[in-house]
Amino acid sequence: QQPVQSPQAVILREGEDAVINCSSSKALYSVHWYRQKHGEAPVFLMILLKGGEQKGHEKISASFNEKKQQSSLYLTASQLSYSGTYFCGTEGGANNLFFGTGTRLTVIP
Amino acid sequence: KAGVTQTPRYLIKTRGQQVTLSCSPISGHRSVSWYQQTPGQGLQFLFEYFSETQRNKGNFPGRFSGRQFSNSRSEMNVSTLELGDSALYLCASRNPDLLQETQYFGPGTRLLVL
Repeated sequence: QQPVQSPQAVILREGEDAVINCSSSKALYSVHWYRQKHGEAPVFLMILLKGGEQKGHEKISASFNEKKQQSSLYLTASQLSYSGTYFCGTEGGANNLFFGTGTRLTVIP
Repeated sequence: KAGVTQTPRYLIKTRGQQVTLSCSPISGHRSVSWYQQTPGQGLQFLFEYFSETQRNKGNFPGRFSGRQFSNSRSEMNVSTLELGDSALYLCASRNPDLLQETQYFGPGTRLLVL
């Protein structure tokens, strides 16, 4: 039930864009995105619900394709503060989240 | 509102011992989930408790157990520790009564098994 994330790692220069993908083999009710910095707890970014709209948070937005059971996280004009590991958590209606193995994003000057 | 708290933050144990970790959820959150995080494996779901009942369980051996108290605080116990149990253990709380509500993670307990 663990979703698959891609890519596993990406290195960007400040100002560049990135897309992180998350796909599940099961029907999804919602997708939750988190960012975790080294030595810290995962921090919630946004949630996408089945039938909901694409979400946005400053220069970070996400989409959810229910039919394909996929979600994508878009980071535009990346900043150094965007560095960290991004996790998607998928919920199939059983009130618990399953997380992917994460995408390590490094933004360099 | 205070966040999720976990104690202790760091723990060193030896093989064969047992350990109990504690998690205090955000006030009003009745659902508490536990995760094991190791390099390369991401966040592995252990179990979820809601109103003192285990509602969901991940694919971990019976050495991993938990419970939840009437005040929603939760404990996780690992018996007969193995070297592979070394990990960051995270708990997360949630208010399932709210739509569009996500989980909020605590800082974690880092367990090292020697």
